[in-house]
Formats: sequence, structure tokens, C-alpha cells
Amino acid sequence: NAGVTQTPKFQVLKTGQSMTLQCAQDMNHNSMYWYRQDPGMGLRLIYYSASEGTTDKGEVPNGYNVSRLNKREFSLRLESAAPSQTSVYFCASSEAGLGELFFGEGSRLTVL
Amino acid sequence: QKEVEQDPGPLSVPEGAIVSLNCTYSNSAFQYFMWYRQYSRKGPELLMYTYSSGNKEDGRFTAQVDKSSKYISLFIRDSQPSDSATYLCAMSEWGTNAGKSTFGDGTTLTVKP
Repeated sequence: NAGVTQTPKFQVLKTGQSMTLQCAQDMNHNSMYWYRQDPGMGLRLIYYSASEGTTDKGEVPNGYNVSRLNKREFSLRLESAAPSQTSVYFCASSEAGLGELFFGEGSRLTVL
Repeated sequence: QKEVEQDPGPLSVPEGAIVSLNCTYSNSAFQYFMWYRQYSRKGPELLMYTYSSGNKEDGRFTAQVDKSSKYISLFIRDSQPSDSATYLCAMSEWGTNAGKSTFGDGTTLTVKP
């Protein structure tokens, strides 16, 4: 069972470069999320998609865009990367209306 | 003030000890309460999940929720070296916001053989 799959696992960018983090889930969940995790700061919600065709901002959306491509896939785009976006990014999914989140393994991004 | 405050740790205990991990919260709308375990360089995995006050037990783990005090705990009995990880509490509201969890900062636990 793959669960939630994220790519790439590691990425190094220079300031100003753009990139897209990909996420796919095979659990037929309606809702998908992007979180970032910084040392000592827990997980913070960037964007979420309650269902296919909808997206909404979370706690820290500035500098990011998302696309809910279909029910399985939810991508996160950094248009012009900044050193403050150096972090570990986690994609998660859940059944609609339930609090349980299923996470991917994370994507480690360094912006120089 | 953060919505969710978690005892920061780190904690180091001998094998077999009882471990208590704690979080407090300020948002009365929180209805779902979760504990996640995160091993180093891995994604969080759900450990315990409850949506009401009281206790929930699963093997060596017991989750306790006291909504009147806005306080949740996770107890680990007979702790094992394999329990060494970071534990994250998380909470969310009812309905369409259920998946929008607010996390504590995590407590890192080391269980020494």
C-alpha cells in the first residue's frame, strides 16, 4: 500500500528559482493538505483542498500556490523560492469530515 | 499565545518506565484530538484518535482528554527503545474543518535500554 507519495524527496534551489512538489494518494480520500515543518515549530498548514476542484489558504500561504489536479493529486508550487522557505514539506490526506491525517514521507527543500 | 501548547521536552527515560506527554489548548471549538508519532526523517503517523472527553486505550498507549480543562495527555506504559520518537499532539474542529489540524511543537522522547 503506497498511501501518500511525495516527490521529490530532496531538492536544493537557488533564491528566485521555481519548483513544484508533487503529491498523490491512493486511499480515495476527498481532502488533501500541504504542511511545512520547521525545527521546534511543529507542523503549519500551508494550503488545503477539501474536495476535488476546491483549494483554500491555511496558516502560512504566502509564497505558495497549489493545484488540485484530480481526486488523487495535489501539487504545491513555489514561484520564486526564498531562503525562508527552507523546510520539510508534508502532504497529507483525510476522509472528508474526519480529523485523521495520513502523511507522506516528506520533501526536504533547501533554498540557498 | 499559541492555540496548542505542548510540553517541550526532550524526555529521556529508562526502558520500562511510564511516560506522560501533555498538551493544553485554548480553542473551545476543537472536537478531534490526535497523537502522532514521528520517527527521525519520516512522516508523522497517527497513533491515537479521539473525539470526546475520557480515556481511550490501545495496547500500551492511553489517550486522555479533559475538555473542561482543555488538556490532553498520552501515556505510554512499559516504554520500549522503539518508542523513541517525536510525539505530536494535534486538534481540529468538527465538520469540514476536521482535517485542518493545529499541531503542538512536539516532544522528543528517548527510551534508553
